[in-house]
Amino acid sequence: DIVMTQSPDSLAVSLGERATINCKSSQSVLYSSDNKNYLAWYQQKPGQPPKLLIYWASTRESGVPDRFSGSGSGTDFTLTISSLQAEDVAVYYCQQYYSLPMYTFGQGTKLEIK
Amino acid sequence: QVQLQESGPGLVKPSETLSLTCAVSGYSISSGYYWGWVRQPPGKGLEWIGSIFHSGSTYYNPSLKSRVTISVDTSKNQFSLKLSSVTAADTAVYYCARPDSGSFLLWGPGTLVTVSS
Repeated sequence: DIVMTQSPDSLAVSLGERATINCKSSQSVLYSSDNKNYLAWYQQKPGQPPKLLIYWASTRESGVPDRFSGSGSGTDFTLTISSLQAEDVAVYYCQQYYSLPMYTFGQGTKLEIK
Repeated sequence: QVQLQESGPGLVKPSETLSLTCAVSGYSISSGYYWGWVRQPPGKGLEWIGSIFHSGSTYYNPSLKSRVTISVDTSKNQFSLKLSSVTAADTAVYYCARPDSGSFLLWGPGTLVTVSS
């Protein structure tokens, strides 16, 4: 099984500041055949299902604000919110789909306003 | 647009079988895609339970494999989850979802299932 580990578990950032969440996979999720990283990021607010933000590690889903960006390759990935807005308070999850159709999620990172 | 909706009992007794159905609208399951179940215990993270291809091929989380069955009913355009021998640890919000090339774009609203006598 591919284990996904996020850091930190929780994070408090001031409005307008940058927020950075890390995700590490226990093995590479980069497929050499297509040079794609099989890694997605989600945002979940209370009482709602997760919302897909980023796929292929760095491709923003349609409608997602451009302050959200994903980076990294292989085993180390980062979700960055360039300028935190109040509506960004949520729990964020990474997910690997390298082993699709079997998937694993990170444990989540809770993002709050400082 | 494509919509998913979970349904089933909100309360299940310990040792019994949890049964949920996901009704799909706006898309014919038989046309393709994997369809899956993800759960989230209260205050905890997301756990993938399993997936089924439109043809019926299934894939399960190894940690749950011995207790899980996912099936598809193309005539009703729905797929189902059965989890046997449940305990309090199976109390969770259960989501049905559709992975598109691996990432889960489509989700149902979720349904809370409590395991309690």
